Amino acid sequence: GENVEQHPSTLSVQEGDSAVIKCTYSDSASNYFPWYKQELGKGPQLIIDIRSNVGEKKDQRIAVTLNKTAKHFSLHITETQPEDSAVYFCAAFDPTNAGKSTFGDGTTLTVKP
Amino acid sequence: NAGVTQTPKFQVLKTGQSMTLQCAQDMNHNSMYWYRQDPGMGLRLIYYSASEGTTDKGEVPNGYNVSRLNKREFSLRLESAAPSQTSVYFCASSESRQAINEKLFFGSGTQLSVL
Repeated sequence: GENVEQHPSTLSVQEGDSAVIKCTYSDSASNYFPWYKQELGKGPQLIIDIRSNVGEKKDQRIAVTLNKTAKHFSLHITETQPEDSAVYFCAAFDPTNAGKSTFGDGTTLTVKP
Repeated sequence: NAGVTQTPKFQVLKTGQSMTLQCAQDMNHNSMYWYRQDPGMGLRLIYYSASEGTTDKGEVPNGYNVSRLNKREFSLRLESAAPSQTSVYFCASSESRQAINEKLFFGSGTQLSVL
């Protein structure tokens, strides 16, 4: 089955710096890769997603890159702000196995003002 | 626009007690899900419902039952709670009934403690 590894588990950056979170997956059948942001006491919120037929996707200060050959994808946040502080989760979904959703263990990002 | 609403927000149970977690969405979504989140771990799928009238097991269904009451509501029942079920439970919904697990909208969670 699918296994998703997420690194680092914690990340601290200075306001204005960039942050990068990486995930690797094991099942080549996975074709949908979302990223969720979870603020304290709230449910996860989708911030960006990418499909396997696309190598990169951007939305303002956030971007996701996908390397299908190496089976890894990354979240890039530029010009970080204190409100970016949260837990970020990656996930990998295989459409042939709807009952299986594999999320990474999460990265706690702290942006210091 | 409320999105996905879960009740209760907090619950403490004794081992062996039963309870039902309620979830409702007002986005006219077809698919609904129940996840659990344990400290330092990602979300694990308990059950999902691709459409009204259908339910399917996820990764960790043991000890739980679900009911898709109508298109809006999806409840999760613990028949005999165990300490291992102490967790934060999230309900989620998505528009598509084919593209399961895509573009999930989550509720704010239920913190459940089983003593």
